[in-house]
Amino acid sequence: ETGVTQTPRHLVMGMTNKKSLKCEQHLGHNAMYWYKQSAKKPLELMFVYNFKEQTENNSVPSRFSPECPNSSHLFLHLHTLQPEDSALYLCASSLRDLRGTEAFFGQGTRLTVV
Amino acid sequence: ELKVEQNPLFLSMQEGKNYTIYCNYSTTSDRLYWYRQDPGKSLESLFVLLSNGAVKQEGRLMASLDTKARLSTLHITAAVHDLSATYFCALGGGSQGNLIFGKGTKLSVKP
Repeated sequence: ETGVTQTPRHLVMGMTNKKSLKCEQHLGHNAMYWYKQSAKKPLELMFVYNFKEQTENNSVPSRFSPECPNSSHLFLHLHTLQPEDSALYLCASSLRDLRGTEAFFGQGTRLTVV
Repeated sequence: ELKVEQNPLFLSMQEGKNYTIYCNYSTTSDRLYWYRQDPGKSLESLFVLLSNGAVKQEGRLMASLDTKARLSTLHITAAVHDLSATYFCALGGGSQGNLIFGKGTKLSVKP
């Protein structure tokens, strides 16, 4: 256990559905991240929140919408996704942004878009 | 553009053998991370290397960092089956203070 918890672990959704992924950490960290892990591709950063403020979108399509209500919780709201969005979505947190501190990852949500 | 390249991407080795995974990166950085990922599981932090010449060891794994050569290595000594996993190197220093990952090396240790 890394101290970063993601729910749900698995999610199957249709292209017209709306769903949300949740990430929670009680490590006292101030930075939280969403990464996407697709087959045969490097992990891709999607969003960064530092002290609850989103620092950059990183060119993610608007069908992905992050929310960080406090420094312990991070959500990823999903709507009208495409099959190519099927992937493992990983949440991570670090003490602050990653200048010399390591990141702790959640177990991920395996998303399948049908 | 900051790039991280690992090789090999796939590695099949016998128990008891030694091998090295290489991680090259494109720009100067003094923060290099190694992670392990088991199938269907999260990424587990193995090593954090923060300075040129840093060497860290944990069990059968040893990681090193050469910032001048922009190279990190993960050396496996006398491999055992339990080491089978995917190993990622990642560089600190993305524009948002994030990690930039290599594609990972899928290691399979066979009896």
